[in-house]
Amino acid sequence: AQKITQTQPGMFVQEKEAVTLDCTYDTSDPSYGLFWYKQPSSGEMIFLIYQGSYDQQNATEGRYSLNFQKARKSANLVISASQLGDSAMYFCAMREGANNAGKSTFGDGTTLTVKP
Amino acid sequence: AAGVIQSPRHLIKEKRETATLKCYPIPRHDTVYWYQQGPGQDPQFLISFYEKMQSDKGSIPDRFSAQQFSDYHSELNMSSLELGDSALYFCASSQGLAGYTGELFFGEGSRLTVL
Repeated sequence: AQKITQTQPGMFVQEKEAVTLDCTYDTSDPSYGLFWYKQPSSGEMIFLIYQGSYDQQNATEGRYSLNFQKARKSANLVISASQLGDSAMYFCAMREGANNAGKSTFGDGTTLTVKP
Repeated sequence: AAGVIQSPRHLIKEKRETATLKCYPIPRHDTVYWYQQGPGQDPQFLISFYEKMQSDKGSIPDRFSAQQFSDYHSELNMSSLELGDSALYFCASSQGLAGYTGELFFGEGSRLTVL
């Protein structure tokens, strides 16, 4: 079974609008972390935001926020006030288990295109 | 601030040749992770090292080997290259084992093309 599911292969958003990128996950471990990364066309992997399974509040980092719904096992990324530079591939990733050395499982990614 | 350095950034090899990728972690980072990202695919975990010992192993082919040296840099050796090995290879580092909470700092990747 897919551990991380990103159901939107591609998304379009108008500049200055908000957009939500979906991510659902599957784990039976109570200890896990959820991460979002941005990968521009140049290829580098840029960390955006992190949500821990025990965190009570949704994570926020500038224009990025994570809509964490634990019971539904979803961790959607919300980007507010989209900018042209936000056009990129976005990956949701998970690490599970208290003994995890840091190995991450990635979703298939969502390509976001911001229109002027 | 110093980041994770990967070399070479681009590499072109023929089938059945050997390639070596290098990764220099952020200073004082003692843990290194290798990922492989095929064209249009998500990154797949290959292997990781903590304090020069293998800490976890993923879907790394037997033709590949890796190690971490005393200065904490790591090398990924790939032999008998196949067309399917063409990918972007990421190295990431962390201070100590990242667990399920710590941030991994990724390098810019080494793009391997096998002809």
